Amino acid sequence: AQSVTQLGSHVSVSEGALVLLRCNYSSSVPPYLFWYVQYPNQGLQLLLKYTTGATLVKGINGFEAEFKKSETSFHLTKPSAHMSDAAEYFCAVTEGHSSASKIIFGSGTRLSIRP
Amino acid sequence: DTGVSQNPRHKITKRGQNVTFRCDPISEHNRLYWYRQTLGQGPEFLTYFQNEAQLEKSRLLSDRFSAERPKGSFSTLEIQRTEQGDSAMYLCASSPLGQGNNSPLHFGNGTRLTVT
Repeated sequence: AQSVTQLGSHVSVSEGALVLLRCNYSSSVPPYLFWYVQYPNQGLQLLLKYTTGATLVKGINGFEAEFKKSETSFHLTKPSAHMSDAAEYFCAVTEGHSSASKIIFGSGTRLSIRP
Repeated sequence: DTGVSQNPRHKITKRGQNVTFRCDPISEHNRLYWYRQTLGQGPEFLTYFQNEAQLEKSRLLSDRFSAERPKGSFSTLEIQRTEQGDSAMYLCASSPLGQGNNSPLHFGNGTRLTVT
């Protein structure tokens, strides 16, 4: 079965600093990969996704993620953190490519931004 | 696109009582998912539907949990004989079928259940 590991339940960076949130998956078949963000008291919303094609994916709010098959990783980055980026971030994967595959989530990383 | 709607937003119940939650997905979305989220954890898959068919149910889901989507539109999640361990945020999400299973999920704001 597919699994998702997010290293670091809490990451704190200074405003303007690089943001790096880590995600690794376990699968012999490259899955579809997603990052979702959850702002306080709001529902989860899609940040970006990788399906096929270019391995560097750009999302909303200046975030991007790179799919590295050799490392089974899909880390999320942003060059310069903004106070409004403070939120919970979840990496998610599909179990395979069949139309009946479900989406499973990592345990999340809380991002804090220091002024 | 009015978004995924979940009702109620909050539910407080006593242990042993039954509760039912409702989810109205985005219209024309064929897939509907239920997840459970506890503090500090990611959403945990419970079950999902394609139209009215329930395609999968998590092994973590006890027999006290049941979900329906009778007409392929809204869905209900019922928990019978609630236990304190059922306290969590219950999330509903929907997605279109047309793009295959790489379609992103659209989440509602959830129903927070507290069992006392």
